[in-house]
Amino acid sequence: EVQLVESGGGLVQPGGSLRLSCAASGFNFDNYWMNWVRQAPGKGLEWVANIKQDGSEKYYVDSVKGRFTISRDNAENSLYLQMNSLRAEDTAVYYCVSKFIWGQGTLVTVSS
Amino acid sequence: QSVLTQPPSVSAAPGQKVTMSCSGSSSNIGNDYVCWYQQLPGTAPKLLIYENNKRPSGIPDRFSGSKSGTSATLGITGLQTGDEADYYCGTWDSSLSAYVFGTGTKVTVL
Repeated sequence: EVQLVESGGGLVQPGGSLRLSCAASGFNFDNYWMNWVRQAPGKGLEWVANIKQDGSEKYYVDSVKGRFTISRDNAENSLYLQMNSLRAEDTAVYYCVSKFIWGQGTLVTVSS
Repeated sequence: QSVLTQPPSVSAAPGQKVTMSCSGSSSNIGNDYVCWYQQLPGTAPKLLIYENNKRPSGIPDRFSGSKSGTSATLGITGLQTGDEADYYCGTWDSSLSAYVFGTGTKVTVL
């Protein structure tokens, strides 16, 4: 079965850090750019970052530049998002996304 | 604030047709392929249309996409109650070096 499964979400205090993981299965993971997309409660979709197949190119939305780092391990079919200096406005469901598939999402809540 | 503009809502009776627009600029829609996503209530989004007008396996041909210049359109024919969802367009913006989503359109089946 083709799927993406996120993990690592939770409650974190402002200024804290969290690392999200995404496990891919059922398709050739290293053939695709991979993305993180988030959705704040009751809001629309916001693209966060993406990474090229070999990890040589990475792009970020302005609001997370310098705070978030996207990475991947093709040997482990895994995608990661290291989130530092978290803010209340980072509270959202974070989705792992390939060209055709979305994961079920993991909730990140930034609150004291 | 999104760079892609969609109407907040559209509605029609069961069996009818709806269309929704996605308006952008030369740096995004005018420069790259457009995708459309469907988000049913309480669920993760799903890819509906890619490369302007292609449907992934399993997506019925009731759903269609088109692009002209700096705008794109999603059409749904034979509207069903199960089509009630939020629909988002998306594309790469070369000026921002970022993927951008539309503001989203809520489809209501009357």
